[in-house]
Amino acid sequence: EVVLTQSPGTLSLSPGERATLSCRASQSVTRNFLAWYQQKPGQAPRLLIYDASIRATGIPDRFTGSGSGTDFTLTISRLEPEDFAVYYCQHYGSSPRTFGQGTNLEIK
Amino acid sequence: EVQLVESGGGLVQPGGSLRLSCAASGFTFGDYWMSWVRQAPGKGLEWVAHIKVDGSEKYYLDSVKGRFAISRDNAKNSLFLQMNSLRVDDTAVYYCARGAAAFEYWGQGTLVTVSS
Repeated sequence: EVVLTQSPGTLSLSPGERATLSCRASQSVTRNFLAWYQQKPGQAPRLLIYDASIRATGIPDRFTGSGSGTDFTLTISRLEPEDFAVYYCQHYGSSPRTFGQGTNLEIK
Repeated sequence: EVQLVESGGGLVQPGGSLRLSCAASGFTFGDYWMSWVRQAPGKGLEWVAHIKVDGSEKYYLDSVKGRFAISRDNAKNSLFLQMNSLRVDDTAVYYCARGAAAFEYWGQGTLVTVSS
């Protein structure tokens, strides 16, 4: 089983700042099959990035996914008020699919 | 417009059973693998199971193997999760999601509470 560890657990930033979220896998993720999601309270998750670096439909270009192997990063270039939420990474290169524990991006 | 609507959640005692349903619309249901993902209150996301387009392959989280069964009815554009021998730690919002890789479409979720 691939264990995904996200850091930091909580990130406190202000609108307009740059956010860098990390996701580290316990073993290499097959073909970089890694996704990022955003979740707001009371809502279902929203897919942001898949295959490590491809933005999903309708996702603004301030969201960038990067990385390969075991180390992946989600960067939000200039935070907008609506970006404050919990972010999860997920791999889908093998079973079981697993998610990271999440990073809570909060307003400073 | 793709829509996934879950139903069937509720309060059940430990050891009890529930059957969740997910009604799909806005896409050709029979062309897609489908999945269930859950989220315990205040916790993170956890993949539960997924099923191949024709139902011939099914995969489960270890902790639900032998207790949960995923199935589908392509003629009725529906996905199901039969949950037996429910435990307190199965308490969660259960989401239906399209696909078995990155999940672009999710339902709104249905809450399952296992408590005496």
